[in-house]
Amino acid sequence: QKEVEQNSGPLSVPEGAIASLNCTYSDRGSQSFFWYRQYSGKSPELIMSIYSNGDKEDGRFTAQLNKASQYVSLLIRDSQPSDSATYLCAVKGGGGFKTIFGAGTRLFVKA
Amino acid sequence: SAVISQKPSRDICQRGTSLTIQCQVDSQVTMMFWYRQQPGQSLTLIATANQGSEATYESGFVIDKFPISRPNLTFSTLTVSNMSPEDSSIYLCSAGTHSGEQYFGPGTRLTVT
Repeated sequence: QKEVEQNSGPLSVPEGAIASLNCTYSDRGSQSFFWYRQYSGKSPELIMSIYSNGDKEDGRFTAQLNKASQYVSLLIRDSQPSDSATYLCAVKGGGGFKTIFGAGTRLFVKA
Repeated sequence: SAVISQKPSRDICQRGTSLTIQCQVDSQVTMMFWYRQQPGQSLTLIATANQGSEATYESGFVIDKFPISRPNLTFSTLTVSNMSPEDSSIYLCSAGTHSGEQYFGPGTRLTVT
């Protein structure tokens, strides 16, 4: 059973701090990794994609991938109250089109 | 990216009836998926909608209960058949790329009484 594991949280950080969200996955053949943000009552929104080891930065967001450790993380710099949401980690295997979603980590940014 | 629309946005249905949810994408996409999400829970994949052929269902989901159509590359429907209160959930359609990125519709909130 291929799995994607996340700490459900909630993770609480003060405004302006760095929020660090972590994810591990079980399928060593996984090739594509994603972070989605889901506000309460809304559908998931893709915020980051990463396909190779290392860091990928987009504005205040940095995704980090370590395939040897089967570990993906998302850093949010200068966290804002508007970043308060559930963040879903998603992993796509090397074959097929199915993506496995983690259960999500709830983030609260305190003003 | 792709823009996805779904309708209805919400519905309240009586047990034993069926509801068909429509999903429209603003561009041709390779993959379309149907998910279910209970409040506060993660996404559960129901099936992959295949253009011009039968959908691929995940374990625990069957065609008789959740028939899916995909007549072309931009449109799909999911029917929830013979509904029971346990089918109350949010149903989400998504469009996917070959690289695995998915773009979600706004969802359909279904309540079965």
